[in-house]
Amino acid sequence: EPEVTQTPSHQVTQMGQEVILRCVPISNHLYFYWYRQILGQKVEFLVSFYNNEISEKSEIFDDQFSVERPDGSNFTLKIRSTKLEDSAMYFCASSALPSGSGELFFGEGSRLTVL
Amino acid sequence: AQRVTQPEKLLSVFKGAPVELKCNYSYSGSPELFWYVQYSRQRLQLLLRHISRESIKGFTADLNKGETSFHLKKPFAQEEDSAMYYCALPILTGGGNKLTFGTGTQLKVEL
Repeated sequence: EPEVTQTPSHQVTQMGQEVILRCVPISNHLYFYWYRQILGQKVEFLVSFYNNEISEKSEIFDDQFSVERPDGSNFTLKIRSTKLEDSAMYFCASSALPSGSGELFFGEGSRLTVL
Repeated sequence: AQRVTQPEKLLSVFKGAPVELKCNYSYSGSPELFWYVQYSRQRLQLLLRHISRESIKGFTADLNKGETSFHLKKPFAQEEDSAMYYCALPILTGGGNKLTFGTGTQLKVEL
């Protein structure tokens, strides 16, 4: 059964460093998402991506964040200059239909620890 | 404001007892609602959606527009039901819609 895969599973970085989290969505899916979950808090929407552009982003997704689909298979989340409060589990998801109509398939997450 | 609320952080029941995980929503119009589940050390996955009106793993959820609720129910809890359950609502925005999750309820089924 096809799955969304994420790398790395855990990354530790120093404050101010750039981080890139990678995701390989399910191959025939068209909609891509990043969510994050700070320890003990809810799963929060960050950004959705369709047709090679951002279709929606939350207030969390500021200028420090960017997403890219560089090669038609990977979907990356970049944080330019990490802050302590960026420490969280980051989930990538993909879907064949828009999120209101279809099922989102999630990866296992990338845990980011900012020191 | 459009949102989904799960009032209980933790629900503990005995095996064989009925389960009801509460979800209330605030939405203008007819909402689509979903329940997602995350078992220990597994990924978040769809459990059921209200539009399909099906029972998955013995769970059902009925949309009650009068009470603005979408509670998840199961008549007899099993140990393997222990997991984190999230109610989710797609919120329409200018750019499309985004699936928004509640804060989640940890279900613990005790023997």
